[in-house]
Amino acid sequence: QKEVEQDPGPLSVPEGAIVSLNCTYSNSAFQYFMWYRQYSRKGPELLMYTYSSGNKEDGRFTAQVDKSSKYISLFIRDSQPSDSATYLCAMTITGGGNKLTFGTGTQLKVEL
Amino acid sequence: EAGVTQSPTHLIKTRGQQATLRCSPISGHTSVYWYQQALGLGLQFLLWYDEGEERNRGNFPPRFSGRQFPNYSSELNVNALELEDSALYLCASSLGTATDTQYFGPGTRLTVL
Repeated sequence: QKEVEQDPGPLSVPEGAIVSLNCTYSNSAFQYFMWYRQYSRKGPELLMYTYSSGNKEDGRFTAQVDKSSKYISLFIRDSQPSDSATYLCAMTITGGGNKLTFGTGTQLKVEL
Repeated sequence: EAGVTQSPTHLIKTRGQQATLRCSPISGHTSVYWYQQALGLGLQFLLWYDEGEERNRGNFPPRFSGRQFPNYSSELNVNALELEDSALYLCASSLGTATDTQYFGPGTRLTVL
C-alpha cells in the first residue's frame, strides 16, 4: 500500500465548477501538508501549505486537512481553463529528512 | 528573482551509459533535493543535500549518486543506466528545514534507449 493515495483522474469539469481533489494517507506522523500544481512540461509549483487539521483559504483555493481521517482536500472555486493541470498532494514530518512524500497526482481539465 | 534552473532540458542515453544532470538553486538556498517523476509513479524522493553534505537518501540503488558544490549547485549522476530510469528528474531547493517550502525547477527529461 502506498503511503499517499490520490485518484489519478483525469477529471474534466466545465468552467465555473467547484473542483474537489483529495488524498488519503496511511502515516499518522505526517504533520505538514501541501498542494502543488504542475503544468505540462513544467516543474511543480506550491499552491497551498497547511499544518495539522483545519482549513486554509487563499483566493479561489481552499485546503482542508482532517488528520483523524488521514484525509486532505483541495477545493477550487469558479474553476478556469487556466486551472487545467496536474495537482499533487505532498506531505512531510519534522525530522523526516526533509523528504516530501507525494501522491501520484490528479489530472484536471477545465473546459470552456 | 531567478528560480531553480536545471540542465540539460532533455538527455538521451543508451543502456549502461552514465548520465549527469545539473541543478542551480535559488539564491540564498542551501538545500537541494532531487526527485524522480516516472510515468504513473508520482514524484519519488531521491536525495537531499545541504551545505555540501548528503543528508538523506530515498529508496534508490547506489548507482544514483550526486554531490553539492560550494556554491550550492548540485549534480545528480546515474550510472549503469537501465530502461526504467527513463523519467523526469526534478530538482528543488529550500532554506533547509523540514517546514521550508521546496521550490522546483522545470526538470530534466532523461530517456534511456
